[in-house]
Amino acid sequence: EVQLVQPGAEVRKSGESLKISCKTSGYTFTNYWIGWVRQMPGKGLEWMGIIYPGDSDSRYSPSFRGQVIISADKSISTAYLQWTSLKASDTAMYYCARGGYCTNGVCYHFDNWGQGTLVTVSS
Amino acid sequence: QSALTQPASVSGSPGQSITISCTGTSIHDGPYNYVSWYQQHPGKAPKLIIYDVSHRPPGISNRFSGSKSGNTASLTISGLQAEDEADYYCSSSTNTSPFGGGTKLTVL
Repeated sequence: EVQLVQPGAEVRKSGESLKISCKTSGYTFTNYWIGWVRQMPGKGLEWMGIIYPGDSDSRYSPSFRGQVIISADKSISTAYLQWTSLKASDTAMYYCARGGYCTNGVCYHFDNWGQGTLVTVSS
Repeated sequence: QSALTQPASVSGSPGQSITISCTGTSIHDGPYNYVSWYQQHPGKAPKLIIYDVSHRPPGISNRFSGSKSGNTASLTISGLQAEDEADYYCSSSTNTSPFGGGTKLTVL
């Protein structure tokens, strides 16, 4: 069974750093792209970026390029989403998801999702 | 990136059928059959219910169906049930229009 497990919540203050994880199991981690999706309170889904753990090739949405860092650790089948300096506006739910079909750095759907990490940033 | 436009809300009574539309320039006739749909219940993660316009993942009810014509993709839910009340998002690809704005389905 494919599983993507995320921590439930993280609380930080503005200006602090944060790295949230997405631990995967049940499939070959290095063979599938992993994406990150933001959902602000009461709002819709926003694609942030994707990474191919096989070679760490990463692609970012223009809206998030330079704002976050996506990485992966093949040795523990875990993907990460990282901020170096959080803002209150980063308060949101963040989901990781496995790319169901991706080619040439483009994913066309995400077939398995983590349960989400609620990031709360206080000012 | 182009936008995918969905109605903000739709509603229907149990047993009825409803259709949610998704319109955008990245959805068009030809080989680009890569529209997907996600269901999200309150407080839960999104769930893939349709991919490649009309394909259902294992375990998804055949009450859910997808289609596409021109620049518009559609999700139809037949035999509406109370458990179908959720938000629904369409999506194309990560290099064009990742997600539509979402449609809230209310089962009356």
